[in-house]
Amino acid sequence: QQQVKQSPQSLIVQKGGISIINCAYENTAFDYFPWYQQFPGKGPALLIAIRPDVSEKKEGRFTISFNKSAKQFSLHIMDSQPGDSATYFCAASKASGTYKYIFGTGTRLKVLA
Amino acid sequence: DAGVIQSPRHEVTEMGQEVTLRCKPISGHNSLFWYRQTMMRGLELLIYFNNNVPIDDSGMPEDRFSAKMPNASFSTLKIQPSEPRDSAVYFCASSPGQPTNYGYTFGSGTRLTVV
Repeated sequence: QQQVKQSPQSLIVQKGGISIINCAYENTAFDYFPWYQQFPGKGPALLIAIRPDVSEKKEGRFTISFNKSAKQFSLHIMDSQPGDSATYFCAASKASGTYKYIFGTGTRLKVLA
Repeated sequence: DAGVIQSPRHEVTEMGQEVTLRCKPISGHNSLFWYRQTMMRGLELLIYFNNNVPIDDSGMPEDRFSAKMPNASFSTLKIQPSEPRDSAVYFCASSPGQPTNYGYTFGSGTRLTVV
C-alpha cells in the first residue's frame, strides 16, 4: 500500500517531442504528489507538484495530469529539450501530518538533439 | 544562499572502517532528512530531524548507522563498521517546514564506496 510504481524505467525522446512518465499509487490517503528532477552528480530538485483537488497543473512546458479514480498521475514534458535529460522521480505523501515521501523508482530521460 | 552542503563528495573506504558523512542545512530550515539512493532500492528515508531532535529513525538499516544533529547548522551520519552493501549515494535534505508545503532541498550527495 505504500508503494509508488513508476514507468518507464528509461525513455528516449527526440528534441521537440513529448515525454510522458507515469506513476501509480495504492494508498488513498496520499494527497500530495510532487515530481523531482535529478541531474547527474546532483541531488533531486522539486519540479512541480499537485494536490488531488485539481486534475491538471501546468508550469511552463511541464504538466502533471492526475486521475484520482485510477490512482494514477503523470508528468508530461512538452517540446522536450536536450537540457531536460535527467532522471525524474514521482512521489506521494499526505499533505499534512507527515513529512515522508514515498518515491517512485525513477525514469531516466534522454532527449536527443 | 549556498544550498545544502554535504561533505565529502566522494568517499572510498575499506570494509570495517568508520565513515562519517556531514551536512550543513540551509539556514532557517528546521527539518533535516538523510536519504540513501541505490539502483536497487531507489531513494530511502533513513532519518528525520525536526528542530535538531530525531523524530523518526525507522529507516536506519541497523545499529551500525547513527545520526546526530548537535545544532541547527550541522548534522552527521556515521556508519561503523562499514560494509560493501552500504555503498550508495547519501543525500541530506532540508526544509523550512512541512515538505508538502515547501518541498525538500537536497544537497549534492556523498557517493560512498566500501571495498
